[in-house]
Amino acid sequence: GAGVSQSPSNKVTEKGKDVELRCDPISGHTALYWYRQSLGQGLEFLIYFQGNSAPDKSGLPSDRFSAERTGGSVSTLTIQRTQQEDSAVYLCASSTRRDETQYFGPGTRLLVL
Amino acid sequence: AQSVTQLDSHVSVSEGTPVLLRCNYSSSYSPSLFWYVQHPNKGLQLLLKYTSAATLVKGINGFEAEFKKSETSFHLTKPSAHMSDAAEYFCVVMGWGGADGLTFGKGTHLIIQP
Repeated sequence: GAGVSQSPSNKVTEKGKDVELRCDPISGHTALYWYRQSLGQGLEFLIYFQGNSAPDKSGLPSDRFSAERTGGSVSTLTIQRTQQEDSAVYLCASSTRRDETQYFGPGTRLLVL
Repeated sequence: AQSVTQLDSHVSVSEGTPVLLRCNYSSSYSPSLFWYVQHPNKGLQLLLKYTSAATLVKGINGFEAEFKKSETSFHLTKPSAHMSDAAEYFCVVMGWGGADGLTFGKGTHLIIQP
């Protein structure tokens, strides 16, 4: 079946612009996660959704980052006023429930110039 | 809180020889542990997972890992390396209940020499 999909696969933007990253989880997966993979920080957890709700947003790096999920399916990670340190690969994962195996999408490679 | 330490940033082996990638974990409860692999410019793929059913876990592509509670280790092994095994390998621990996401080790870059 179809896996986790993310779009765009690559995004180049100018410092100060806003960007939206999209994640389409595996059908039927209620849990959805966002991670960031960067050279300096490795792989870090950003936020978790159970259904449309994110119980804890403390993993988001700054208040320029926000995320939402609608209809228990697609999720959007928005970065406002991008900075060069936001350059990274943003990964999305989904699972049938929060304590089950997570399956990852291919990621969105973000470059902020 | 939980943490994972991958003891080697790089491992180089010859094709056909055994592979050992070392991982130690720290957790205040019985953890769920995983190994993921990432090939260049590809997404993360699950190799295997431990969830307390059996201490020796078999995964895909001939990999296996043994959970040793006394040593807080979860080392990944393969009897005979193949060129296609060259990739980045991540040892991962799941937070309690999964709501805190996964905690990744820094990764081990596996190099296969012909």
